[in-house]
Amino acid sequence: NAGVTQTPKFQVLKTGQSMTLQCAQDMNHEYMSWYRQDPGMGLRLIHYSVGAGITDQGEVPNGYNVSRSTTEDFPLRLLSAAPSQTSVYFCASSSWPKRYEQYFGPGTRLTVT
Amino acid sequence: SQELEQSPQSLIVQEGKNLTINCTSSKTLYGLYWYKQKYGEGLIFLMMLQKGGEEKSHEKITAKLDEKKQQSSLHITASQPSHAGIYLCGAGGGSNYKLTFGKGTLLTVNP
Repeated sequence: NAGVTQTPKFQVLKTGQSMTLQCAQDMNHEYMSWYRQDPGMGLRLIHYSVGAGITDQGEVPNGYNVSRSTTEDFPLRLLSAAPSQTSVYFCASSSWPKRYEQYFGPGTRLTVT
Repeated sequence: SQELEQSPQSLIVQEGKNLTINCTSSKTLYGLYWYKQKYGEGLIFLMMLQKGGEEKSHEKITAKLDEKKQQSSLHITASQPSHAGIYLCGAGGGSNYKLTFGKGTLLTVNP
């Protein structure tokens, strides 16, 4: 099993550009989520999904969109990048009943100039 | 919303020394989860505590849950450079999947 994979590993964007961060898992987990990690702020939940076709907002959803068309994939879209979105982004997945034992991807380091 | 406060924020120890990291919750803990993050990598699940007084060990790492104090501690015995990284506590609860994390404790172990 590859576990949770994320692409790209690094990305530099200019303000106003859009892009999609990819996340995939091969463990057939129903739950997938996106976090951002910033110095002094810890991990904050952006969006999450409890199954294909079901998504919901987390703590900091503004400026991001998600969709879940398959169990395996959960892409995160930045609509119009802003410097405040410079961060490290992590995707995670888990499955009932061990829903809090989450598997994390290696992260995407995004810089918006 | 639930908040988790970790202390200390950072810790530097000499190899072989013992250390303790604390995680205090603003609300009742129904489950406490410890994760470790190596620099530049994703989080790795360490252990889960669900009952008051519960204690679990993994190699030289022991975690305890004090439900009354809404607190958990993570103790490392005879630290090694491989223990270095960021330790984060997470709390879940209810019927959803969402985890709330503390801000983490950065551990440096000097050889």
